[in-house]
Amino acid sequence: GQQVMQIPQYQHVQEGEDFTTYCNSSTTLSNIQWYKQRPGGHPVFLIQLVKSGEVKKQKRLTFQFGEAKKNSSLHITATQTTDVGTYFCAEASKGSGNTGKLIFGQGTTLQVKP
Amino acid sequence: DADVTQTPRNRITKTGKRIMLECSQTKGHDRMYWYRQDPGLGLRLIYYSFDVKDINKGEISDGYSVSRQAQAKFSLSLESAIPNQTALYFCATSADSYNEQFFGPGTRLTVL
Repeated sequence: GQQVMQIPQYQHVQEGEDFTTYCNSSTTLSNIQWYKQRPGGHPVFLIQLVKSGEVKKQKRLTFQFGEAKKNSSLHITATQTTDVGTYFCAEASKGSGNTGKLIFGQGTTLQVKP
Repeated sequence: DADVTQTPRNRITKTGKRIMLECSQTKGHDRMYWYRQDPGLGLRLIYYSFDVKDINKGEISDGYSVSRQAQAKFSLSLESAIPNQTALYFCATSADSYNEQFFGPGTRLTVL
């Protein structure tokens, strides 16, 4: 079935270092959504990418959608302790009808050492 | 007040018991979802509903059932709980297929 692979599973960084998580698919993705889940919390929507090669920024966060729409990345510049959490990519699944089901990657858990 | 609420927030039960997890939303969204989260596996879809009369199975529906009592309410039942259903369960809503999903705070279920 359709799968979205996310790497790495875990990342430990020193505060101030950069961080990147990658989302890959063997098939063309219709769109990508990114969510953040703080420890003990629930997933919170960050952004959606739809167009090939799209790049969006939110302060220190940069989101990219690959030209072939088979991969996406989230890059955080100069991490802070508030960036701690698990970052998920998700694709609204294709198939018959407008299902709206999200297929989630496994998530990347970020730890930031102060 | 939270837009998506779940009750209970924590539950410990025994194998074979029937359990119901409830979800309510005040966002006015037609679409509601139930996910389970296990470490290293991300979030997996159990059931989803596009309106009161439309219920669909997700990727891991075996052992679960749902009821959409109203636009605002979507409950998940475990008819006979088993230990491998120990997980964190999230309810979510969305306005449309490709819109963002809004998650509830989650229910941590432990089946002994």
